[in-house]
Parts: sequence; C-alpha cells; structure tokens
Amino acid sequence: DAKTTQPNSMESNEEEPVHLPCNHSTISGTDYIHWYRQLPSQGPEYVIHGLTSNVNNRMASLAIAEDRKSSTLILHRATLRDAAVYYCILRDYSGGGADGLTFGKGTHLIIQP
Amino acid sequence: DSGVTQTPKHLITATGQRVTLRCSPRSGDLSVYWYQQSLDQGLQFLIHYYNGEERAKGNILERFSAQQFPDLHSELNLSSLELGDSALYFCASSVATEGAGVDTEAFFGQGTRLTVV
Repeated sequence: DAKTTQPNSMESNEEEPVHLPCNHSTISGTDYIHWYRQLPSQGPEYVIHGLTSNVNNRMASLAIAEDRKSSTLILHRATLRDAAVYYCILRDYSGGGADGLTFGKGTHLIIQP
Repeated sequence: DSGVTQTPKHLITATGQRVTLRCSPRSGDLSVYWYQQSLDQGLQFLIHYYNGEERAKGNILERFSAQQFPDLHSELNLSSLELGDSALYFCASSVATEGAGVDTEAFFGQGTRLTVV
C-alpha cells in the first residue's frame, strides 16, 4: 500500500470544525482512501472512505483533491469524544482486498473544552 | 459496539507458554483480520481469513497461527511466548465481497491485552 503523511498532532477547540490533512502523493488509481480513528483504550473505529469523489457520512466528511494526492478529513463540530488518533490509510483493492490495513502513526487530535 | 467480540479481554501468561485468542465477527461478515498493536511497532496486520481460508499474511511470526471455523469465528494461536509478544491483539471483520472491486470498511473488536511475564 502507498505511504501517507500526516501531522503528528493537532489541537482544536470543542464545537469548532476540525480539518485533518493527509498527503499521499504516490497514490495509485486503485487505492481507496480510508480514515480510521482510535479512541483511548479502544479498538480502531471506521470513520469514512472514498475513491475519487468527496464523501459525507454521519461522522465526518472526506474531501479528496482533484489529483488525489491529498485528502482532508473534516469533523464539522468537534466534541471531547472526538479526541483520538486519526489514521489516513490507502488500500489497493484491485486484487480483491486480501491485505489488511497498513496503519502509520496517525494524527493525535486534542480537543480543548 | 462494533458487533465484533473478542475474548478474553485480558490474558497474563508466562514465557514459553501457548495461548489462544478468540474472535467472533459481525453477523454475516466473511472476512476476519488479526492485528497486533505494541508500543514500539504500532498497529500491524498479521493475517486475513476469508470464509475459512487464509487469504493474506502480514507481519505474522512463525510461532503464531490462526484459523477460521465453519461458523466464521476465528482463533489466533500464539506459542512459545516471549516478553516481546506482550501487546494488544485486535480482530476486525468486514463483509469484503471478494473480487468485487469495491472496498468496504472493517469493524474492530475491543482487543485482547496479552501480558507475557
């Protein structure tokens, strides 16, 4: 799987939007962009994923650059519960998705009350 | 609640011993993945089973093995345990329709914390 680059940590205030960036300049045409988060003492939790178009779900929005070399996870209104490590992961599904997810170090998101 | 159940939640054992970790995937999910999370290595993919058959191996040691049973639950067997095997072990499941060319999300359990003393 291609490599992603994320800031080590970010800080935001409660009830404000948060934009978490991810660079993936070597992304291939068959790489999906996945975001997972891991709250303290819990297993990773799926947030959102997409291929080319922007995606929205109840948790977040995923904005994908036109050239797909970067993406941004948007939390529209952060709460204290959103404090977690956020992982941006590329996954090549052209071979059927047999391989697991390749987690990097992620971004540690801190939410200030 | 992700719908993925892992047992036991905690396990303490001695070096050289063998343990079995169990995972029950979400109802209907055919794929089970195992991951190890340690402080120095982060989250690493170990192995993937799909409908009872091994589909992919990641950074899994030869001392470790896994299987998926007809009812789709999976077990991860760790033998000749060493201090360095102390970690959180996560199981994840996904519906993962093979060859469909469409990626799906994975649902993770709460993990088993293994401590080797």
